[in-house]
Order: sequence, then structure tokens, then C-alpha cells
Amino acid sequence: DTGVSQDPRHKITKRGQNVTFRCDPISEHNRLYWYRQTLGQGPEFLTYFQNEAQLEKSRLLSDRFSAERPKGSFSTLEIQRTEQGDSAMYLCASSLGDRTTNEKLFFGSGTQLSVL
Amino acid sequence: AQSVAQPEDQVNVAEGNPLTVKCTYSVSGNPYLFWYVQYPNRGLQFLLKYITGDNLVKGSYGFEAEFNKSQTSFHLKKPSALVSDSALYFCAVRDQLSIGKSTFGDGTTLTVKP
Repeated sequence: DTGVSQDPRHKITKRGQNVTFRCDPISEHNRLYWYRQTLGQGPEFLTYFQNEAQLEKSRLLSDRFSAERPKGSFSTLEIQRTEQGDSAMYLCASSLGDRTTNEKLFFGSGTQLSVL
Repeated sequence: AQSVAQPEDQVNVAEGNPLTVKCTYSVSGNPYLFWYVQYPNRGLQFLLKYITGDNLVKGSYGFEAEFNKSQTSFHLKKPSALVSDSALYFCAVRDQLSIGKSTFGDGTTLTVKP
């Protein structure tokens, strides 16, 4: 169990640029989640995959955000035309779930995005 | 809709004293409830969860939590605090019918002083 890996750890970009983050979940985990966390707030749900299918997406997620999980393994989160309000810690989590939804989440250390 | 409230931004206790970190929740159905801990420069780590059954749940590092359905609360407790327990604690709820989305509170910073 090598844990959930996220790359890069930090990203500084200029407003209007596109950025892409990568998440490698724990290998046998079928579920993968993206959350966003700002200072003083708890993680905010963005989107969720079961295997390669994106099953839920937050209504707060603008169309500038897109996530993929090809082949049900790693996932990427892309933000197009970044805005200063996108500055946050982007967290990835994975879990091994079945028909229930009570499994615990394993979180990565996050990617800190700063938009200048 | 589901929501979580952690009414205290900060809890301070002396080492060896009992600690309580409060959490209340709202879900439309039956809840799954979780506590996670975040240490500086590290990802969130699972502490414990309530699914069903016994209202007192025991977890990692000597922590426990009490589920109270009538008060819609899930307070985190420990009988004797350690300095190493100092960290940021998050309560989370998931509706049993809501696959995927867990809703987190805004966190409570626990400081244990020697």
C-alpha cells in the first residue's frame, strides 16, 4: 500500500492559463474522488468516479473544470482559463467500495494551486 | 441535501484531560458519519466511522465518538489527551443513499498543552 499520490505538490500559474493535476489512487481502489479545500474550510466535493465512470459532479463545478479517469486507474483534473478564485488545495481520495457507501476514504497530500 | 457543523474553530485542553470535539449533521436519510484528522503537511487520515448499531464507536489512537440520533450529533472524544493529538479534525457525513459525496465540516483545531 503506497498510498494516494498527487502530482505536482505545488503549482503556481498566471490567470488565464490551463493547469492539469494528476492523482494515482491506491491500486485496488475502484472509487476516486476530487475535493477542493481552502484555508479555514473543510474539503468541498468536486467529483467522483467509480472505475472509469464519472458518476457525480458538483453543481459548484464550472465548465472550466474537467476530470478524467481513463481505464479506471489514475485520474487527471484540468482547470482551463484559471481564475484567482481557483487558488486552493486540490485533494484526491480513493476507496474500495461495493454496494455500500460506508467505506473510509484515503487521501493524498494534495496539490496546492496558486493563481497569480 | 447534507451538511455538517463543527461549532468550535479551536479546542484547547491540557495533556491528560479528557477532550471533546463537537459535530452536528443534517441528512435527509440515515447517515454514515466519519472523523478524519489532518496533521501539518499530511493528508487527511481516517479515525473512525459510524454505520449502524452501537452508538459508541471506537477508533484509532484511543479516540471514540458517540452517535446521538435525536440530537443529530457525532462528538469525538478521548479520555486522556496527548500533546501528539494536536491537529485539525474534520467531521464528515454521507447519506446512505448518496454514493460518492461526503460532506465535511470546516474543521476544529485541537491544541493539547503539556
